[in-house]
Amino acid sequence: GIQVEQSPPDLILQEGANSTLRCNFSDSVNNLQWFHQNPWGQLINLFYIPSGTKQNGRLSATTVATERYSLLYISSSQTTDSGVYFCAVSRLDTGRRALTFGSGTRLQVQP
Amino acid sequence: GAVVSQHPSWVICKSGTSVKIECRSLDFQATTMFWYRQFPKQSLMLMATSNEGSKATYEQGVEKDKFLINHASLTLSTLTVTSAHPEDSSFYICSARRAGALLLDNEQFFGPGTRLTVL
Repeated sequence: GIQVEQSPPDLILQEGANSTLRCNFSDSVNNLQWFHQNPWGQLINLFYIPSGTKQNGRLSATTVATERYSLLYISSSQTTDSGVYFCAVSRLDTGRRALTFGSGTRLQVQP
Repeated sequence: GAVVSQHPSWVICKSGTSVKIECRSLDFQATTMFWYRQFPKQSLMLMATSNEGSKATYEQGVEKDKFLINHASLTLSTLTVTSAHPEDSSFYICSARRAGALLLDNEQFFGPGTRLTVL
């Protein structure tokens, strides 16, 4: 199956700082999603981005499908950005629609 | 749009009892739902894929007789943990894919999860 690697595993930032989270995947994919898991466990959809670039407020994401990686940018970080960020992918020609998750990046934003 | 709910949000039960968890798509229909399990400080691992009106497909190592999945309608899938034991304690999360989505559109929406503690 597809392997998904996220880096860094842990990140501590001061409020206001910018950061870049990376997701590498081992094979071509049709679907890539970024999630933020809040302290209560809820997975919040951030981006559905199998390719290209999207922006939503202070967050943006870029997926370069041909090079098998995606980046999540967080600008002007806030304490509410703390939590775990997951990248998840799927490849439809395997007949498998379920997502394969990376191990996540645990972000802590300090005031 | 694309809201998924789960009930209950948390449950504590005694060893040997069965627990049913419901996953509902509130504002869309879902022909396919997925069940994941997450242990503390770990990632989500797929347990099974649930298709409306047919048997679920389980991942290797997941006991289908222990984790019963029913997807009887386009908005509801249930996971029943039978004869639960302490090692089944975990965070169970469901997701759903919109029915009628384009073939290449595989965006999935997640429920808030159910925290199961087996004493």
